[in-house]
Amino acid sequence: AQSVTQLDSQVPVFEEAPVELRCNYSSSVSVYLFWYVQYPNQGLQLLLKYLSGSTLVKGINGFEAEFNKSQTTFHLRKPSVHISDTAEYFCAVSEGGAAGNKLTFGGGTRVLVKP
Amino acid sequence: DTGVSQNPRHKITKRGQNVTFRCDPISEHNRLYWYRQTLGQGPEFLTYFQNEAQLEKSRLLSDRFSAERPKGSFSTLEIQRTEQGDSAMYLCASSQSVGGETQYFGPGTRLLVL
Repeated sequence: AQSVTQLDSQVPVFEEAPVELRCNYSSSVSVYLFWYVQYPNQGLQLLLKYLSGSTLVKGINGFEAEFNKSQTTFHLRKPSVHISDTAEYFCAVSEGGAAGNKLTFGGGTRVLVKP
Repeated sequence: DTGVSQNPRHKITKRGQNVTFRCDPISEHNRLYWYRQTLGQGPEFLTYFQNEAQLEKSRLLSDRFSAERPKGSFSTLEIQRTEQGDSAMYLCASSQSVGGETQYFGPGTRLLVL
């Protein structure tokens, strides 16, 4: 079984400051890792994903994440946030190479960007 | 727009009533997933289809819940005898079966059971 823990439920940050959202996962098999963003009353939008290869993954809107297999982490970073980055962010994992690839999500981190 | 669509976007019902939601996936995607998201939580997997076959169901999917995808295109999720605990956002996602690691989500249907 897989599980995902997002260590921070809320992260307040000032505009143009950097932000890091932490994601720890556990799995007994190889995994694919994802970060999704959810704006109020909307569905999930994919920010970035790690399937294989380079452990540093770049996504949309200036976000990047680093896969650390030994520490089982997939932290999300942005060097300079904007007001429009205010949203909820979800880390998710699926079993690599498995049929179905259902996603297991963390509890989410709410980012509030302050002017 | 060829993204995943869901209808209705909002549904208010009284306890004990039946409700049905519809999901239209991205046209070339043959996998379709249903998730449930309660307030302040991450989405939880309910079930998924490959074409018309329902291949996995979560233990969260009680016998009051039924999902279908009769022609391998759109899917419906029905909840019978709704309970207040069914209030949640119901999300649909789709992906390809080959190279289909990424799921694309619809806007969701928000259900409120009074």
